[in-house]
Order: sequence, then C-alpha cells, then structure tokens
Amino acid sequence: QVQLQQSGPGLVKPSQTLSLTCAISGDTVSSGTAAWHWIRQSPSRGLEWLGRTYYRSMWFTDYGASVKSRMIIKRDTSENHFSLHLQSPTPEDSAIYYCARGIFYDTTGYDAFDIWGQGTLVTVAS
Amino acid sequence: DIQMTQSPSSLSASIGDRVTITCRASQSITSSLNWYQHKPGKVPELLIYAASNLQSGVPSRFSGSGSGTEFTLTITSLQPEDFATYYCQQSFTTPHTFGQGTRLETK
Repeated sequence: QVQLQQSGPGLVKPSQTLSLTCAISGDTVSSGTAAWHWIRQSPSRGLEWLGRTYYRSMWFTDYGASVKSRMIIKRDTSENHFSLHLQSPTPEDSAIYYCARGIFYDTTGYDAFDIWGQGTLVTVAS
Repeated sequence: DIQMTQSPSSLSASIGDRVTITCRASQSITSSLNWYQHKPGKVPELLIYAASNLQSGVPSRFSGSGSGTEFTLTITSLQPEDFATYYCQQSFTTPHTFGQGTRLETK
C-alpha cells in the first residue's frame, strides 16, 4: 500500500524558506512508472499545481510559472523522499500544500494523482 | 497554460438524482483528463483517469466521457456520500492545471 507522509512547519516567516518533505512508503522516488508532485490549495487560487520530479533514465523536474523562479524540488533516493523548497514566501503563498503521486497509466506519459499526502496547512506571516 | 473551465460552479441535487458536470479545456488535451472528488478536511480522491477510466475502488455510479476539449463527469443515482466538490485536471502538458471546481450540494 503506497502512502505519502508530509512533514514541515505550519508557520513560515517571509524571510525564511518554506520547506516541506514528503516521505514515500510502498513505492520509490526513482520509480519508472510514477512522477512526484507538489500541489497547493488556497481560496484565492483553488488547486494549483506547483511542480514535479520523475526519473526516466535521468531525472526530470518541471515547475509551474507562478513559482518557477523561487521553487526547487529535491529528491533523496537513500531516504526515499522528495521535498519542496520555496524561497521568499509571501502571505499569498499561504495554502494547504499536498504532495501526490502521479501514476503513469499508459505509455503516453500522461498521469493521474492517485495517492496524496495528508496535506500541510502553511501560513506565511511575520 | 491550458485553462480548464468547469460548469456549473455549484449544483443542488437530491439523493437518487443523475448529475452531470462539464469540463472544457482551452485547447485539445486528447483524453488526458482526470476527475477528483474533494470533501472538507480530506484529501482529494481520484475518481476517473484518462477521461473515462474508473479508478479502482470507485463506485460504478461514477462515469466519465469526452475527448479533445469537452469532458463530462456523470453520477447516476446520487448517494449521501457524493456531496462534495469535484475537480477536473489535465495532464496533457505542464503545468497540470485544474478546473475551478463544482460544488455539489444537497437540495
């Protein structure tokens, strides 16, 4: 049974980096049949895809435009987790953050978020 | 970015009703469309992937159809546990955009 366990602070100052970790059990971050995503939800933005990382003979990482200049997704194959690091967060980055597995359901490269972390409510405030 | 537009934004229905939610993409996404159910305090749950494929464990009263730019999610014989918010999401290209959601409420 695949599970994702999120960890990280619920309150972040604008001068800090918003960092969250998603620990994977029952699958591996270097799986050839999945990608590992970060998604957030806020009243103003709804569900917003932030980025993903996945392995297909080499590592690939994509980011959404709204965070591309400030966000890094890291992966740790020894610890089997991936993490989000968002620099210079503002109150507009306050949201529930989710990690999710995107399972590739065929050879086209299209995926669907079949497993989600429990969600982390992050508030950015001084 | 591909824009996903759902209609209606909210919907009132009764137990046993048949409900249809529409999702339109701003450009063709072939069949790379997924549907999720989201209840307050819970994580989103995958219902339908690749436009029409029922995710394992999801009741058969849920079904999806469509391709290209227009897609529908249908719930036949609405049950009490189906009142929730439903989202479509495209995986054709990044960013993987979501619709704004359709809130299904009890009439």
